[in-house]
Amino acid sequence: AQKITQTQPGMFVQEKEAVTLDCTYDTSDPSYGLFWYKQPSSGEMIFLIYQGSYDQQNATEGRYSLNFQKARKSANLVISASQLGDSAMYFCAMSVNRDDKIIFGKGTRLHILP
Amino acid sequence: GAVVSQHPSWVICKSGTSVKIECRSLDFQATTMFWYRQFPKQSLMLMATSNEGSKATYEQGVEKDKFLINHASLTLSTLTVTSAHPEDSSFYICSAIDFRSYEQYFGPGTRLTVT
Repeated sequence: AQKITQTQPGMFVQEKEAVTLDCTYDTSDPSYGLFWYKQPSSGEMIFLIYQGSYDQQNATEGRYSLNFQKARKSANLVISASQLGDSAMYFCAMSVNRDDKIIFGKGTRLHILP
Repeated sequence: GAVVSQHPSWVICKSGTSVKIECRSLDFQATTMFWYRQFPKQSLMLMATSNEGSKATYEQGVEKDKFLINHASLTLSTLTVTSAHPEDSSFYICSAIDFRSYEQYFGPGTRLTVT
């Protein structure tokens, strides 16, 4: 069974600073995928970034990068130059196959301070 | 990007009644759709996997007779909450797999309030 752990229930960060959201995972499957989603107050799930377990390089998407440390089973999300609009709930998630069900962590609520 | 819609976006119903929520993939065919439930300030919990033309697979602890799922076509899955009770009040989110790209797309969610 897969498990996602997010240990930071909430974070406060000053605008324009970089922020790292922690995520660890556990699975016995050799092939898996890791996701990060943003959920603003509207409730919609916004896909941010994906990392495959066999990808050699860390995934990056604009201001988002995923710090993938396979041996430590961690997949931290790094947001550079945070903006007020980044305030939201962030979920780390994983699936065994790209087209399989996604298991979510408990989430981290990020507050960006002006 | 691909779009998944849900209807209604919010619904209020009386205890004991049934309510149907639709999940549609608008510009792609989805052989598989998932239904999640999210209580306030909590994470998304997978309820069931819906495959076109076959019975849904429910996660442990989810009552299949209470949460009826029908995946009648490659673009539509429905979740019917039967005999709803206040404890069923939640945010229900669906996702759909584009069978060409294997990408998964989430719907905007449906907020159900049972009074």
